[in-house]
Amino acid sequence: SQQGEEDPQALSIQEGENATMNCSYKTSINNLQWYRQNSGRGLVHLILIRSNEREKHSGRLRVTLDTSKKSSSLLITASRAADTASYFCATENSGGSNYKLTFGKGTLLTVNP
Amino acid sequence: DAGITQSPRHKVTETGTPVTLRCHQTENHRYMYWYRQDPGHGLRLIHYSYGVKDTDKGEVSDGYSVSRSKTEDFLLTLESATSSQTSVYFCAISGDQETQYFGPGTRLLVL
Repeated sequence: SQQGEEDPQALSIQEGENATMNCSYKTSINNLQWYRQNSGRGLVHLILIRSNEREKHSGRLRVTLDTSKKSSSLLITASRAADTASYFCATENSGGSNYKLTFGKGTLLTVNP
Repeated sequence: DAGITQSPRHKVTETGTPVTLRCHQTENHRYMYWYRQDPGHGLRLIHYSYGVKDTDKGEVSDGYSVSRSKTEDFLLTLESATSSQTSVYFCAISGDQETQYFGPGTRLLVL
């Protein structure tokens, strides 16, 4: 069963605008990760945030994690047409096997030039 | 794609035939994974390996088997392909039990 659920399912913005995607999950986690997938390609790791962290930055990416609400958000600032892709959150659940990730269904981001 | 290759990249087969997909890595990572990606379902784990000859089931393992006889290769076998196994299959590897690196995918069509 899916652990993470991204919201919205699809997002269309203009170049230069910020894009925000959200992820909710159900069980306790060790970490939460965001991946990007360009059409027809494999997933690419973007950023990892651990359960004891609240915010993390990497270039134009900002990720927040609220473990009390079991949710995370990914902010892409000053978006570019090249950011057009699907974005997935993935959780490593605490307890049990700690080397598996559970992926959400993704948010399709379209950045219009 | 972080030293991961998948073969074949595309395959068309008929219902009832066996199919083997290969994942090959040059990173010497311990962990390897097979996922399938379908519209409306996202990415779902089929099987994974935590070492040579050490494998375990994921959430959608029925109809699939795997083998890992050496670190660099992880094989996924559909013993008797069905139309419901039409999908895009991704292999992933991990060296630190956290970040996963994905291969380019294999598109499988079962007629």
